[in-house]
Amino acid sequence: EPEVTQTPSHQVTQMGQEVILRCVPISNHLYFYWYRQILGQKVEFLVSFYNNEISEKSEIFDDQFSVERPDGSNFTLKIRSTKLEDSAMYFCASSAGTSGGLGNEQFFGPGTRLTVL
Amino acid sequence: GEDVEQSLFLSVREGDSSVINCTYTDSSSTYLYWYKQEPGAGLQLLTYIFSNMDMKQDQRLTVLLNKKDKHLSLRIADTQTGDSAIYFCAESRDGGATNKLIFGTGTLLAVQP
Repeated sequence: EPEVTQTPSHQVTQMGQEVILRCVPISNHLYFYWYRQILGQKVEFLVSFYNNEISEKSEIFDDQFSVERPDGSNFTLKIRSTKLEDSAMYFCASSAGTSGGLGNEQFFGPGTRLTVL
Repeated sequence: GEDVEQSLFLSVREGDSSVINCTYTDSSSTYLYWYKQEPGAGLQLLTYIFSNMDMKQDQRLTVLLNKKDKHLSLRIADTQTGDSAIYFCAESRDGGATNKLIFGTGTLLAVQP
């Protein structure tokens, strides 16, 4: 069964460093998402991406964040200068469409745990 | 605004029914979802309900939607130890450029053997 994969599973970085979180969405999907979950808090939407551009982003997704689909398979989230409060689990998701319900459901990866020291 | 709330913890005995509750505030929500998260794994979609429905049954899972009260519940019949996980409700609004999900806080379901 196709699945979304994410690497690395755990990333430890120093405050101020740049990190790139990688995702391989399901191959025929067109819509890509990043969410994050700070420990003990809700899963929060960060950004959605379609047709090589951002279609929606949340207030969290400021100038320090960027996304890219550098080739036909990877979808990356870059944090330019990490802060302590960026420590969280970051989930990538992909879907075939945007109309809700099965058939367009979002499939989630296992997440990357980012720890900023 | 968009807000989704859940109780944090539920403990049941194996074989009993579990009922996990969720409330939401966005009256324009179109789809409501239940996701399951096992330790170390991603979010797995269990079931969803369209906002013009009030009930949906899928094997051991029953979803009830009270749109007037903006209340959603997930009932798991004959709960098994393998059902132990965190359960998230989520809502989305159809027709937008994206289908971003707004998640609840998650309910940790502990099933005692």
